Amino acid sequence: GAGVSQSPRYKVAKRGQDVALRCDPISGHVSLFWYQQALGQGPEFLTYFQNEAQLDKSGLPSDRFFAERPEGSVSTLKIQRTQQEDSAVYLCASSPLVEQYFGPGTRLTVT
Amino acid sequence: RKEVEQDPGPFNVPEGATVAFNCTYSNSASQSFFWYRQDCRKEPKLLMSVYSSGNEDGRFTAQLNRASQYISLLIRDSKLSDSATYLCVVNDGNNRLAFGKGNQVVVIP
Repeated sequence: GAGVSQSPRYKVAKRGQDVALRCDPISGHVSLFWYQQALGQGPEFLTYFQNEAQLDKSGLPSDRFFAERPEGSVSTLKIQRTQQEDSAVYLCASSPLVEQYFGPGTRLTVT
Repeated sequence: RKEVEQDPGPFNVPEGATVAFNCTYSNSASQSFFWYRQDCRKEPKLLMSVYSSGNEDGRFTAQLNRASQYISLLIRDSKLSDSATYLCVVNDGNNRLAFGKGNQVVVIP
């Protein structure tokens, strides 16, 4: 069946630009997660939704990062005024209960 | 101190050999444990969940030691296709996954 999809797969942004990253979870999965993975590191938790409710945003690195999931399905991670240190792969995962299934990620490069 | 510690390696393994590695975790309240596999420039894929009684899936065996807070993975009869990074993952009890840096495995013909 269809897995988690993310778009765009690659994004190059100039420093100071705003970007929006989209995640389509597996149909029926209640929980949705965003992670950030820097080169050579494991993914780091950013934020978590259960349906449309954002239950945990403690991992968001600054107030430039904002995530939403207004109808409890598709989610968008927005980064305002991008900085070079935001360059990373942004992974989305969805979960029916405990195990999490990841999308292919969006590779963001800030120049 | 990171929540999940792994020795990144690389682990160079002759084809057909057995390789084993551990990770340790710091949060004693952690409830669920997993091994994920990540190929270069790909997303992490769930390899197996890890249970207190230990579990096996084909050539892969995972063990959990709650008292010492470590998790292990053993791969028997290594194949070239096993070359990947193996990520030790812990659910902290609040649905957040904490990842180690990963063990990079290179299977050599």
